[in-house]
Amino acid sequence: GAVVSQHPSWVICKSGTSVKIECRSLDFQATTMFWYRQFPKQSLMLMATSNEGSKATYEQGVEKDKFLINHASLTLSTLTVTSAHPEDSSFYICSARDGGRLGYTFGSGTRLTVV
Amino acid sequence: AQSVTQLGSHVSVSEGALVLLRCNYSSSVPPYLFWYVQYPNQGLQLLLKYTTGATLVKGINGFEAEFKKSETSFHLTKPSAHMSDAAEYFCAVRTGGGADGLTFGKGTHLIIQP
Repeated sequence: GAVVSQHPSWVICKSGTSVKIECRSLDFQATTMFWYRQFPKQSLMLMATSNEGSKATYEQGVEKDKFLINHASLTLSTLTVTSAHPEDSSFYICSARDGGRLGYTFGSGTRLTVV
Repeated sequence: AQSVTQLGSHVSVSEGALVLLRCNYSSSVPPYLFWYVQYPNQGLQLLLKYTTGATLVKGINGFEAEFKKSETSFHLTKPSAHMSDAAEYFCAVRTGGGADGLTFGKGTHLIIQP
C-alpha cells in the first residue's frame, strides 16, 4: 500500500530558529500534499495544501511567511517553521493524496517542541 | 463548507462488547467519508472510507461503517471490542472533486474496559 515517510519524528529547537520537516511519498507520486497541525488531545487542523510545482494554498489564519511549504517534486514536500516560538510547539502531520485511489495517506507525524 | 460532528469525546466499552462511534457530517455536495485511528504520538491509519457505491463499508480490524444520506451519518461499529482497539478515532469528510484536504471531527477516545 501507499506509504508516506515523515522526518524527523520529533525535534526540539530554540526559540527564533527554523525547523524543516520532510514528507515523502515512497511508492507513489503525490501531486498534492497536505499539512496538518494537531494540538494535544485535539483534532487535526488543515494548514495548507501544496501542489507539485506551484505555490501552496494556505488556510485562513495560517501565516504563510512563518510556515513555508515547498513541493519541488512529486514525492517530496517540506514544511519549514521559521523563527519558531514556543506557541508553534505542536504535532505536525503531512498527508499525501494518491489521486488514482481517492486516498489520503498520512505520515507518522513530527512532534515539534520550541524552547 | 463541510463539517464533521463526533458525538462523545470519550466512549468506554467492555472487552467483547459492541463498539459504536458516532459521526455526523454536513456537506453541500455528495461527500467522501473516512474513519481514521490514531495511537499516541503516531500518524493516522485509515480504517475505511466511503466514496460511492455500497453504503455499508467494511474496513480493517473488523470495523465497518454505514453511510446514511438521509441521516447525514457515517457511524463506525465493531461487533466485539478488543483491548488493542483503545485509541483515538477520527471521522473526516471531503467534498468530491478538486484537491481538498480533509475536514476532521474532534475525535473520540475509545476506552476498552477489561
